[in-house]
Amino acid sequence: AIQLTQSPSSLSASVGDRVTVTCRASEGIYSALAWYQQKPGQAPKLLIYDASNLESGVPSRFSGSGSGTDFSLTISSLQPEDFASYYCQQFKSYPLTFGGGTKVEIK
Amino acid sequence: QVQLVESGGGVVQPGRSLRLSCAASGFTFSDSAMHWVRQAPGKGLEWVAVISHDGTNKYYGDSVKGRFTISRDKPKNTVYLQMNNLRTEDTAVYYCARSGSGSYYFDYWGQGTLVTVSS
Repeated sequence: AIQLTQSPSSLSASVGDRVTVTCRASEGIYSALAWYQQKPGQAPKLLIYDASNLESGVPSRFSGSGSGTDFSLTISSLQPEDFASYYCQQFKSYPLTFGGGTKVEIK
Repeated sequence: QVQLVESGGGVVQPGRSLRLSCAASGFTFSDSAMHWVRQAPGKGLEWVAVISHDGTNKYYGDSVKGRFTISRDKPKNTVYLQMNNLRTEDTAVYYCARSGSGSYYFDYWGQGTLVTVSS
């Protein structure tokens, strides 16, 4: 199975900060990567698909980049509603796998 | 609007069985692959199983292979997860999720149903 390693596992940031989360795949996955946001008690929400495509309705402060094995999710200016956990997911091959998650907390 | 509503969760003893259901609405059910994804308490997301749009292809995560079975009922717009020989480590919130046509990421999710495996 393809392993996804996210870093950091948690971070503290302030409103207005630029935040970057990285996701490394154990083998090349082209651009077959998605990013999700999950708030406590809620289902995950799709943010980015195909590594860099913004899902409809998602604010433009979210962006994704990368291909092959190295990917990143960037929030250009952190807003209060962005404090949540973020997960990457590969869909190059089954079994589909997720990264371990990154919790973004208020500094 | 797209809705996915899970049901069937509860408390069950190890070794017993449980069947989860996910009722779908607001989209063309027969065009979409459907998945189950789970999340153990305080842990990350784990993909469990997928069934193709027409029901002909099914894939499972290694931890549930041979114990869980995914199926779908087109007239009822419902997908199921039959879980047999449950283990304590299967305790989790189980989410139903949809993949759009030709995609393998999850664009819509249900709110989840909690399964607790405990003696």
